[in-house]
Amino acid sequence: GEDVEQSLFLSVREGDSSVINCTYTDSSSTYLYWYKQEPGAGLQLLTYIFSNMDMKQDQRLTVLLNKKDKHLSLRIADTQTGDSAIYFCAESTGDAGNMLTFGGGTRLMVKP
Amino acid sequence: DTEVTQTPKHLVMGMTNKKSLKCEQHMGHRAMYWYKQKAKKPPELMFVYSYEKLSINESVPSRFSPECPNSSLLNLHLHALQPEDSALYLCASSQDFSYTDTQYFGPGTRLTVL
Repeated sequence: GEDVEQSLFLSVREGDSSVINCTYTDSSSTYLYWYKQEPGAGLQLLTYIFSNMDMKQDQRLTVLLNKKDKHLSLRIADTQTGDSAIYFCAESTGDAGNMLTFGGGTRLMVKP
Repeated sequence: DTEVTQTPKHLVMGMTNKKSLKCEQHMGHRAMYWYKQKAKKPPELMFVYSYEKLSINESVPSRFSPECPNSSLLNLHLHALQPEDSALYLCASSQDFSYTDTQYFGPGTRLTVL
């Protein structure tokens, strides 16, 4: 079965880099997503990566995928207080339509 | 434009009330979703509509009744809810119901059942 896991909490200082980690279990073709959720708001799509890629970069965001270890990470460069939010990784696999399996979410706190 | 809109933003209702949540997208997406999210938890899928037909019902109680009147609109009708149904209700849409299609979420409706 599918299982996506994340650490619960991360605290960084403004200007530092943040790295949020996620592990998944499904080894079939898959898309992996990062969503950001601010308090009381919906989920904002940040970026995604397909399982045949190792890395994807989009401005301050870098996604790294280690297929062997089934490990996904999101690096935020020059973290700002506006980056404080809950970050969810999610997996969508080829054998389940478009069903997303979410991790439990990582709460990122950015201190000034 | 990747906007999904939801109304109302907040809703307070009693256990005997009937109310509806509305979701709209104008991206030409053919799959639409309802999720329920409790505090500090990830979203849980409730229903999926694909090409205006109900494709998935994740064993949701009948007091929640989805409706897809057209390809741009998704409703969730609520009746005789319980206090434990209080949550953030999120709508999402994707181009199609394929694992390659990204889901875009709306801002949610915060529901409180008294």
